[in-house]
Amino acid sequence: DQQVKQNSPSLSVQEGRISILNCDYTNSMFDYFLWYKKYPAEGPTFLISISSIKDKNEDGRFTVFLNKSAKHLSLHIVPSQPGDSAVYFCAARGVYKLTFGKGTLLTVNP
Amino acid sequence: DAGITQSPRHKVTETGTPVTLRCHQTENHRYMYWYRQDPGHGLRLIHYSYGVKDTDKGEVSDGYSVSRSKTEDFLLTLESATSSQTSVYFCAISGTGGTEAFFGQGTRLTVV
Repeated sequence: DQQVKQNSPSLSVQEGRISILNCDYTNSMFDYFLWYKKYPAEGPTFLISISSIKDKNEDGRFTVFLNKSAKHLSLHIVPSQPGDSAVYFCAARGVYKLTFGKGTLLTVNP
Repeated sequence: DAGITQSPRHKVTETGTPVTLRCHQTENHRYMYWYRQDPGHGLRLIHYSYGVKDTDKGEVSDGYSVSRSKTEDFLLTLESATSSQTSVYFCAISGTGGTEAFFGQGTRLTVV
């Protein structure tokens, strides 16, 4: 039973355009949501987060939107850069721990 | 970078042998986690710890045990390794129970 779902295994965008990565969750008890970025042969690195009491959080080129009624969050990257090419994981916090989605491979083409 | 070190970084072992992976942190964080990453499955939680000698199971804990005798070290043991445990294992730490977790660089384990 997958509580955090990233339904797009991959996404390809042109440099300079917007990248939108999506994530859905089923557990209404999740109170905090995070996005991680992962390059090959490295550990995931924290990117941006949002509390369940907010609907938007922005950090430079990265914005996370949360729609609690739809149990949906998205990560927007504007403008996309080739260095953004990586696997992006959505995560949700339950009691003490994070549950991750399967990840979306983003490729930004020059 | 958060002070978190995993050892070994790579290991090849035979089916049926015991294996212990170590996670060491210098951040004095309360929470520590072991995840495995597999193609098509993302990151799945194996076990976690919310304090010294306080541990609990994650979603894929069968075949694994953990120990945390001091704040800085969290050990993951495969009692009798199987080929299905071939994976990349990541340790993570958090000071606040998941609002932000920092990951180690991973251990690639191959069971032959």
